[in-house]
Formats: sequence, C-alpha cells, structure tokens
Amino acid sequence: GQQLNQSPQSMFIQEGEDVSMNCTSSSIFNTWLWYKQDPGEGPVLLIALYKAGELTSNGRLTAQFGITRKDSFLNISASIPSDVGIYFCAGTFGNEKLTFGTGTRLTIIP
Amino acid sequence: GAVVSQHPSWVICKSGTSVKIECRSLDFQATTMFWYRQFPKQSLMLMATSNEGSKATYEQGVEKDKFLINHASLTLSTLTVTSAHPEDSSFYICSARTPGTGGTDTQYFGPGTRLTVL
Repeated sequence: GQQLNQSPQSMFIQEGEDVSMNCTSSSIFNTWLWYKQDPGEGPVLLIALYKAGELTSNGRLTAQFGITRKDSFLNISASIPSDVGIYFCAGTFGNEKLTFGTGTRLTIIP
Repeated sequence: GAVVSQHPSWVICKSGTSVKIECRSLDFQATTMFWYRQFPKQSLMLMATSNEGSKATYEQGVEKDKFLINHASLTLSTLTVTSAHPEDSSFYICSARTPGTGGTDTQYFGPGTRLTVL
C-alpha cells in the first residue's frame, strides 16, 4: 500500500540534543498523527494535528501540520534516554484509513 | 487517551492450527477497528478494516478466507488466522478509531500480538 516518505530513516544523537524529523506526501491529508513505537509494543499516539498550519506541543514534543497539507514535522527538544524508539507519522483524509510513514529510528548515544 | 487492549500478547502454535486474537476498546465504543501486520524493522501494513455489524474490508493481497475478522460489538473485534503457517509469523496490531467531530477522528493502537508459527 501507499506509504509516506519519512526522514531521516535513523538518527544517532547524544542525550540533550534536539531532534527533528519530517514526513511528506504526494497527496493532501486533513489529519496528521505522530506515533512512537517501542520494541514489542504497539504505537502510542504522541500528537494529533487537524488543521493546516496547526502547531501543537506535548511536553518536549512539538509537531506542525504543513500549510500545503502534504507534510508535517516533529521536533523533540532536549532528548532523554526514554525517547529512544521508532517514530511514525500517519495521515488520513476524511474517514479513510491511515497511511503510515516509513518510520524514523531514534538512538541515543551514551 | 483511549485504551485499546489485545489478547493474547504472544502466541506460539503449530503449523496448520488456527489462532484467534482479540482487540477491545476499553473506554470507548469503536464502530471501526483496523488490523495491521508488522514485520521486523518495517512499518505497519494495513490488513483490513473491521466495521461493527458488517463484513470487513480487506486490503489488496490479504486473503479474507485465511484472516477471518469478526466485529461483533462496538468494543470487540477478533482476527482469526486460519491454518497458520510459518510465513504468517508476525506482529499483529489492532487499532480502534475514536469518534470525533469536525474531522477529529483519531486511531489508538493495541499493544500488539506476537504470533510465532512453528
């Protein structure tokens, strides 16, 4: 099925650094969702975006719904060890199924 | 946020047997649930959309006779892998869509079920 382009594929950072990842699509969405998945677990919803241009924060996480409705980014400030995991973006239009990004694997170097 | 549970969390079975996985929305009613499969180091791939009281809609390439889906109530959907084979070994994850107004639907995921077919 269709997938969103998510970048980067992986990131290796030091604790305390800021992180930025983004997602792009060839088609427009009216909802963008960002999830985090730990090994052996299901994805956990981090942030939901419902309006073009919307900027939403959840603690150290900030996500934006792109003006063109074809992209979104997620920033994590001052990373900590528990931020390690795989981050997925997902988009949907109306009541259609979610389209998932390819994922960004975040690793924190000690 | 909304809570979705799955049972069992892991299962090991012999080739040729059938396995049933349950997905429940614990604190909300979900008219629509989804079943995904995830292979190692890959993203989630949608298998089917489960609608309460009607037949599931399967994605292209997913055998509906092999992956039986029943959405018997607003809080329960089941996936039965019939005559499982080693290639069916995977991580199966369900999600439930919460009702929203003005296009604010959101999907919450269960913790997943690890199926290993010997």
